[in-house]
Amino acid sequence: ELKVEQNPLFLSMQEGKNYTIYCNYSTTSDRLYWYRQDPGKSLESLFVLLSNGAVKQEGRLMASLDTKARLSTLHITAAVHDLSATYFCAVDLREYGNKLVFGAGTILRVKS
Amino acid sequence: NAGVTQTPKFQVLKTGQSMTLQCAQDMNHNSMYWYRQDPGMGLRLIYYSASEGTTDKGEVPNGYNVSRLNKREFSLRLESAAPSQTSVYFCATILIYEQYFGPGTRLTVT
Repeated sequence: ELKVEQNPLFLSMQEGKNYTIYCNYSTTSDRLYWYRQDPGKSLESLFVLLSNGAVKQEGRLMASLDTKARLSTLHITAAVHDLSATYFCAVDLREYGNKLVFGAGTILRVKS
Repeated sequence: NAGVTQTPKFQVLKTGQSMTLQCAQDMNHNSMYWYRQDPGMGLRLIYYSASEGTTDKGEVPNGYNVSRLNKREFSLRLESAAPSQTSVYFCATILIYEQYFGPGTRLTVT
């Protein structure tokens, strides 16, 4: 059974600081997704990582994938209040109809 | 272009009542999915449909049935609602490597 673990589950940080959210998964997969969710809203796709060593950046967020270590990271640089949201990673089980298995989510609060 | 739409947005049911959650997509995608989201647990797959006329169970299918009526529509039915089915339900479809999620249905079973 595939397990996806995120940590931390809750992160409170000051504006301007850097931090990393970790996503570990338990089986072979070379496709990993990061999503953002604002309270009461649906999921917004942030990054799709498709191969070992993939790195993608958008604004203050950078995601990477190490398939050998079964680890993805979402790095936040110089956090701002607008980044406050819940962030999910999800692993794609392609051989099972592209089903996604989600981590529990990281609640990020950026304090001014 | 509406993308993925879901109805209703909110619903309150009494234990034992039935209802159907509707999902439609206008992107002409083959695959569609139903997830539920509970606090602290991320999203969990209930059922999915790889193409019109086919459906398969996901991680938490008990208490639910689905119908893939045509390529556009994928409905989720609760035959006899239970308080444990209180959750937010998301429908999704996939294009190449990305899943697109509907706005969600917030269901409360009392």
